[in-house]
Amino acid sequence: AQKVTQAQTEISVVEKEDVTLDCVYETRDTTYYLFWYKQPPSGELVFLIRRNSFDEQNEISGRYSWNFQKSTSSFNFTITASQVVDSAVYFCALQRSYNTDKLIFGTGTRLQVFP
Amino acid sequence: GAVVSQHPSRVICKSGTSVKIECRSLDFQATTMFWYRQFPKQSLMLMATSNEGSKATYEQGVEKDKFLINHASLTLSTLTVTSAHPEDSSFYICSARDNGDGELFFGEGSRLTVL
Repeated sequence: AQKVTQAQTEISVVEKEDVTLDCVYETRDTTYYLFWYKQPPSGELVFLIRRNSFDEQNEISGRYSWNFQKSTSSFNFTITASQVVDSAVYFCALQRSYNTDKLIFGTGTRLQVFP
Repeated sequence: GAVVSQHPSRVICKSGTSVKIECRSLDFQATTMFWYRQFPKQSLMLMATSNEGSKATYEQGVEKDKFLINHASLTLSTLTVTSAHPEDSSFYICSARDNGDGELFFGEGSRLTVL
């Protein structure tokens, strides 16, 4: 069975702090895809990153970085120097096959960044 | 970039009425679309996979007679909540898979409130 766990329900930080959102996944597949989405209060899902299981290289995009470790089945997301606009719910998701399968979402982590 | 449009974004209806939500891919064709449901402060739960020209595939526990899905063209899928009740109040989000490269795009969501 496939499962995504985001153990942190809510995180509160003060602006400029770094924050890491955890994501642990379960799958028996050797090929799979991992995603992070941001859901601001308006509700729409904003795509942040997609990573396939064969690419464990960490990625950095501006203030965002992702750490993918297959050994611990984790795909953690770090925001450096957080800003108030980063306040949102962040979802980690798992997909078995890129072109054919559905996304399985974690329960989300609500991040509040205070000024 | 590719856009998926959902309409209406918000709808309020009386108990017992039916409500139709549209999910439209604006600049790509999508044989497959997905319908998710999100309760307040909860994750996205897949309701069904909508396939153009064939019957939708419903997830376990989702009533197919309650949530009617029609995917009559490569750019449009509709979700009809029949005989809506207050417990059907939720945020419904669709996603569409681009036939070209398999990329998934999410709609902006539709918030249904049943009085």
